[in-house]
Amino acid sequence: QQQVKQSPQSLIVQKGGISIINCAYENTAFDYFPWYQQFPGKGPALLIAIRPDVSEKKEGRFTISFNKSAKQFSLHIMDSQPGDSATYFCAGSNNAGNMLTFGGGTRLMVKP
Amino acid sequence: DAGVIQSPRHEVTEMGQEVTLRCKPISGHNSLFWYRQTMMRGLELLIYFNNNVPIDDSGMPEDRFSAKMPNASFSTLKIQPSEPRDSAVYFCASSSQGFEQFFGPGTRLTVL
Repeated sequence: QQQVKQSPQSLIVQKGGISIINCAYENTAFDYFPWYQQFPGKGPALLIAIRPDVSEKKEGRFTISFNKSAKQFSLHIMDSQPGDSATYFCAGSNNAGNMLTFGGGTRLMVKP
Repeated sequence: DAGVIQSPRHEVTEMGQEVTLRCKPISGHNSLFWYRQTMMRGLELLIYFNNNVPIDDSGMPEDRFSAKMPNASFSTLKIQPSEPRDSAVYFCASSSQGFEQFFGPGTRLTVL
């Protein structure tokens, strides 16, 4: 499996601030890029996903920015809230979302 | 829907013992995935099934690991014999027609 590199490993943001998590991938065949959110003791849950035919996708406070030429994508969380404190994983797939390769994860803490 | 169901939630065993993890996917989903999560290696795909047939098991670490899906509502992941380095959280996930995967709560395995 090709790597997906995620940064930073941990992030502390004040309530109301913007959280930014970055990912870079190697496999140019990837055509689906989801972000998963995981709370302690729970399984990951899909947060938002993007296909490479668009450069940005927004759902509420969450936005994915995608740069195909640089093979990079990022998650922006606007107006971050303490309830957003969780671990976030980016991933890439080239098999209709089946063969997901996950990044290493980012532990986000939003301080009240 | 109850979501993906995994059992047991916690398993503590001794090195050399056989361990069987169980998963019930969401009804109607035709793809099932087994993942392993550790601090060192992150979230790794072990094997996935489509319509009860194993499609890719390249992530299975070694012959001690085996997975079966005898019908659309049940799958097992077996480790025999277990070793301390198998200690991890094992997740089962299911999806319908690819893309969004729904994860179960996981089984925390500790091998002493």
